[in-house]
Amino acid sequence: KNEVEQSPQNLTAQEGEFITINCSYSVGISALHWLQQHPGGGIVSLFMLSSGKKKHGRLIATINIQEKHSSLHITASHPRDSAVYICAVRGGADGLTFGKGTHLIIQP
Amino acid sequence: GAVVSQHPSRVICKSGTSVKIECRSLDFQATTMFWYRQFPKQSLMLMATSNEGSKATYEQGVEKDKFLINHASLTLSTLTVTSAHPEDSSFYICSTTGQGAYEQYFGPGTRLTVT
Repeated sequence: KNEVEQSPQNLTAQEGEFITINCSYSVGISALHWLQQHPGGGIVSLFMLSSGKKKHGRLIATINIQEKHSSLHITASHPRDSAVYICAVRGGADGLTFGKGTHLIIQP
Repeated sequence: GAVVSQHPSRVICKSGTSVKIECRSLDFQATTMFWYRQFPKQSLMLMATSNEGSKATYEQGVEKDKFLINHASLTLSTLTVTSAHPEDSSFYICSTTGQGAYEQYFGPGTRLTVT
């Protein structure tokens, strides 16, 4: 079973700072997801990666398959980015295995 | 992108009663649906995988007789928590794969409180 580790668990930063959240996993995967969960619980899928790098607005996600590692970056962070960011991996047709999440707070 | 709905969004029930949660894919056919739950301050955990027209596959430690899953159509899967106990209080989320088979679309979740 895949072990998914995220760091940091908690992160508080000032508005405008560059944010990096890391994710490592133990077993080869078919895809890695970065998810955003707001206090109400709803989950939004930010990225799905199987290789390389993706960018969407101020968000950038990278993955290194050989090192079994992915990072999520937020540029020019804003208070509305405050949420829990979750890394989740998938092997084959199975359901996702989730990391414990990173609680991000961006202060004005 | 694909839209997945869940109903109800919140439910409070008494211990011993049963609760049904519906998960619908609104604009595509979902042959596979996943049911997850999340206890407070915990990560999401896969409960079961539901395939249309066949029996669900449950993860280790999840009681199939307690968490009944029905996936009778390509757009609807239901999770019924039977004889609910306070320890079943949790956030239940469904998701389904998109056309690309690797994309996952999540429902908004159902917060269950058992008193």
